[in-house]
Amino acid sequence: EAGVTQSPTHLIKTRGQQATLRCSPISGHTSVYWYQQALGLGLQFLLWYDEGEERNRGNFPPRFSGRQFPNYSSELNVNALELEDSALYLCASSRPYGTGITDTQYFGPGTRLTVL
Amino acid sequence: DAKTTQPPSMDCAEGRAANLPCNHSTISGNEYVYWYRQIHSQGPQYIIHGLKNNETNEMASLIITEDRKSSTLILPHATLRDTAVYYCILDTGRRALTFGSGTRLQVQP
Repeated sequence: EAGVTQSPTHLIKTRGQQATLRCSPISGHTSVYWYQQALGLGLQFLLWYDEGEERNRGNFPPRFSGRQFPNYSSELNVNALELEDSALYLCASSRPYGTGITDTQYFGPGTRLTVL
Repeated sequence: DAKTTQPPSMDCAEGRAANLPCNHSTISGNEYVYWYRQIHSQGPQYIIHGLKNNETNEMASLIITEDRKSSTLILPHATLRDTAVYYCILDTGRRALTFGSGTRLQVQP
């Protein structure tokens, strides 16, 4: 069974540009999560989507946004890039919301975004 | 959000059991304890989780105290490939996993 996939592996942008990161969940999973891991810092929760709806959002500015498509894949968009946005962006997926109070999140390999 | 406390680092001899402690004294009744590990800049790998009872799978065992204020992850026979940062996390049901600084486990040959 294929795991969570993310693209691209690496992305280099300049300050002020926009970045789009993509994620495909494990087959059968409808919930997708995004996390940011800046250098030397822990993983910070960004967003949670399920069935196309945003279910929860972390403490990030509005220029971090995303969406989930009918096939449950997801995009994370970061507008007006700043140097501090350089980080490893991780996507995770889990079974549908409502399966239980919680469910195991399985992570992809991440996209490393570098802002110059 | 409820928080966890872990030692910053631990060493373990290859082939021996690695016991990684975690304190979560403010845990709520419906919060699950999850363990993940991250091997150098890779995506976190799920290890095990539990609510009240001890759990075991092919990777590890999870021992949760009766009052649920602490837990221990046990890797029964550590190998060099188990060298990683191990995270103890509480899931409140809001699905926003909070990763602390974790425990850096170094397995020594």
